[in-house]
Amino acid sequence: EVQLVESGGGLVQPGGSLRLSCAASGFTFDTYWMHWVRQAPGKGLVWVSRINTDGSSTTYADSVRGRFTISRDNAENTLHLQMSSLRAEDTARYYCARGLGIRVFDVWGQGTMVTVSS
Amino acid sequence: QSALTQPASVSGSPGQSITISCTGTSSDVGGYNFVTWYQQHPGKAPKLMIYDVNKRPSGVSNRFSGSKSGNTASLTISGLQAEDEADYYCSSYTGSSTHVVFGGGTKVTAL
Repeated sequence: EVQLVESGGGLVQPGGSLRLSCAASGFTFDTYWMHWVRQAPGKGLVWVSRINTDGSSTTYADSVRGRFTISRDNAENTLHLQMSSLRAEDTARYYCARGLGIRVFDVWGQGTMVTVSS
Repeated sequence: QSALTQPASVSGSPGQSITISCTGTSSDVGGYNFVTWYQQHPGKAPKLMIYDVNKRPSGVSNRFSGSKSGNTASLTISGLQAEDEADYYCSSYTGSSTHVVFGGGTKVTAL
């Protein structure tokens, strides 16, 4: 079964850091682009970041560029999102998604909730 | 403010057909045949329903269909069922560096 399982969310103070992980199984991880998409409570989907198959190319939304870093460990079938200088507006459920290239997300995890609050 | 514009809500009676619109610009929806639609039930992860304007992934009911005219894409649900009640999001490829933009979402209700 193709599966993505996120972890690492939680409550963090403004200015703090958090590292999200996404464990992939059931497919050949290193042949797919991977993405992070977030959804603030009661709001819509917002694309956050993507990484290519070997990790050599990364792209970020303007709102997180310079604060978030996406990475992947193909040996461990794991995707990461290192988040720093967190702000209240980063509060959201963060979904890991498998990409059919750069623009279609065909498999999604259940998400992990990040709350930035003092 | 989302880059793509969707109606906040659409409703219909069971068995009817409904259409959700997704309006962008010539830089996204109108410029490429790369519109995608996702379904999201409350508390669940999004699910891919339509990609490349009108292609259905394996396992998605043929009651769901997509189309595009100019800068507006549409998702049609035929024979509306109670299980179709969910939020629906469109997205499009865009020529910007991020390459993907989403709509604000549409809540579908079966009356």
